[in-house]
Amino acid sequence: DTGVSQNPRHKITKRGQNVTFRCDPISEHNRLYWYRQTLGQGPEFLTYFQNEAQLEKSRLLSDRFSAERPKGSFSTLEIQRTEQGDSAMYLCASQLYSGNRQPQHFGDGTRLSIL
Amino acid sequence: DAKTTQPNSMESNEEEPVHLPCNHSTISGTDYIHWYRQLPSQGPEYVIHGLTSNVNNRMASLAIAEDRKSSTLILHRATLRDAAVYYCILRRRIIGANQFYFGTGTSLTVIP
Repeated sequence: DTGVSQNPRHKITKRGQNVTFRCDPISEHNRLYWYRQTLGQGPEFLTYFQNEAQLEKSRLLSDRFSAERPKGSFSTLEIQRTEQGDSAMYLCASQLYSGNRQPQHFGDGTRLSIL
Repeated sequence: DAKTTQPNSMESNEEEPVHLPCNHSTISGTDYIHWYRQLPSQGPEYVIHGLTSNVNNRMASLAIAEDRKSSTLILHRATLRDAAVYYCILRRRIIGANQFYFGTGTSLTVIP
């Protein structure tokens, strides 16, 4: 178990630029989740995949955000035309799902700063 | 998912037991109670979960009230490494309920 890996750990970009984050889940975990966390708040759910299918999206996921998990393994989260309000920690979690008693395993996140 | 209520912050002396409370008065019979913690600059880490009975693992114990409207996470002997934000979360035990609502959690300070 090598854990959930997220890259990059930090990203600084100018407003209006596009950014992409990558998440490598624990191998054989069929579910992958994306969350966003702002300072002083708990993580907020954005979206999740079961294998390669994106099954649920939060209202927080505006049309500037897109997530993919093309082969059911790693996932990418892209933000287009970034805005100041996108500054946050973006967390990925994976889960070997067989009911909601299984824990989610989180990566250490990508911190996005918009200048 | 139903809402949980936790104190914003708590303090504990090192090597003393810590009891972190969580109220979930609107819990349904199919909700699991999960606890996660988040150390500074890290992602959340699973601690423990339960449904009706008290649970123990190597990290902590979970005491669940008989009516399930509250629970308590017990750290038997706090260490400095236990300083973190602790989240109490309810998860529906049904297909389709897949979101975690973390709330703001309890920030635990451990005093040497």
